[in-house]
Amino acid sequence: SQTIHQWPATLVQPVGSPLSLECTVEGTSNPNLYWYRQAAGRGLQLLFYSVGIGQISSEVPQNLSASRPQDRQFILSSKKLLLSDSGFYLCAWSVLGNIQYFGAGTRLSVL
Amino acid sequence: AQKITQTQPGMFVQEKEAVTLDCTYDTSDQSYGLFWYKQPSSGEMIFLIYQGSYDEQNATEGRYSLNFQKARKSANLVISASQLGDSAMYFCAMRADRGSTLGRLYFGRGTQLTVWP
Repeated sequence: SQTIHQWPATLVQPVGSPLSLECTVEGTSNPNLYWYRQAAGRGLQLLFYSVGIGQISSEVPQNLSASRPQDRQFILSSKKLLLSDSGFYLCAWSVLGNIQYFGAGTRLSVL
Repeated sequence: AQKITQTQPGMFVQEKEAVTLDCTYDTSDQSYGLFWYKQPSSGEMIFLIYQGSYDEQNATEGRYSLNFQKARKSANLVISASQLGDSAMYFCAMRADRGSTLGRLYFGRGTQLTVWP
């Protein structure tokens, strides 16, 4: 069966520090991969999605970047965090754009 | 543009009763998908149920059913026999099936459901 791993679960980082959040999927090949951010009490905002290795699409201009170095690995990064980057980050996968399955999420606090 | 509206910020239901969570959507696409997700306090988004725009029958998954009214552009979630563990935030989402955003989900702002004994 397919599983998705996302880590770390929580992260507290100072302003200006770098960020690396990792997401890996097991049990499927060539999935679509997605990074979402959820502000407190709000719905999800799509940040990036990828349909294959090295193929990244950005939905909103921001301080973050994404990379897909391997078929089932998706990384969210920042060179210098801002206070506004705080939030709950969720990774998801799907096959051919069908049902999206989410990881457990990372709570990021930028102080 | 795709838009999902959930007009109920919070809902309360007594254990063992049924509850309906409202969702309306707006799209010019003929082909689309509708989803409901549950988000407990732990934060994980749990897929509950899916309805395709061409599906003639309402989707059902155990205690969950989706009341799909295409002409009204509504996709309400019905939870039968509520349980205390159903207390969570519930999100309605729509998938656009055309263009560069293939597979992208558009989410509503959610409804917080509280089940009381």
